[in-house]
Amino acid sequence: DQQVKQNSPSLSVQEGRISILNCDYTNSMFDYFLWYKKYPAEGPTFLISISSIKDKNEDGRFTVFLNKSAKHLSLHIVPSQPGDSAVYFCAASENTGNQFYFGTGTSLTVIP
Amino acid sequence: DTEVTQTPKHLVMGMTNKKSLKCEQHMGHRAMYWYKQKAKKPPELMFVYSYEKLSINESVPSRFSPECPNSSLLNLHLHALQPEDSALYLCASRRGPNNYNEQFFGPGTRLTVL
Repeated sequence: DQQVKQNSPSLSVQEGRISILNCDYTNSMFDYFLWYKKYPAEGPTFLISISSIKDKNEDGRFTVFLNKSAKHLSLHIVPSQPGDSAVYFCAASENTGNQFYFGTGTSLTVIP
Repeated sequence: DTEVTQTPKHLVMGMTNKKSLKCEQHMGHRAMYWYKQKAKKPPELMFVYSYEKLSINESVPSRFSPECPNSSLLNLHLHALQPEDSALYLCASRRGPNNYNEQFFGPGTRLTVL
């Protein structure tokens, strides 16, 4: 049972434009959400996180938005750069727990 | 030091071999994880150690045996693996439950079972 879903397996964006990656979850107990970036044959790299007490968190070119009522979060990358081309995973957890639930990933390609 | 290290980077083993994967962190994190990842799939949780005790075992076959000798080290002992166990094995660590803290991942061990 996939509790975290990323419905777009891939996304292509022109360099300099905005990339928007989406993630949905089903478990209302999740209160901590993260985005990871992964290159092939490497471990995921943490990008940005948000707790359920916020609806937006920003770090440089990366912004995560959380809509708790819709159980939806999104990652905005502005402006997109070719080096952003990677697979992006969203993850969710209950803050009091130790387990993270990962989405299936979205492969982002930024076209120069 | 904000790094999780894993050795070896690559491992090829036969189905009758015994080998071990090693993971190390010196960030004072008290939760450590083993994940298995196949191509184009999300990381799949195998084991979680919390304060050096096994807290989660996601019904992993006994041919995988985890060990946490101390708070900085995590091993995964492998024995009698199958070709379908070939994957990228990722270690991760986290400060601990509560306080909204992220996992840090190591670079992974690429395992091939012949």
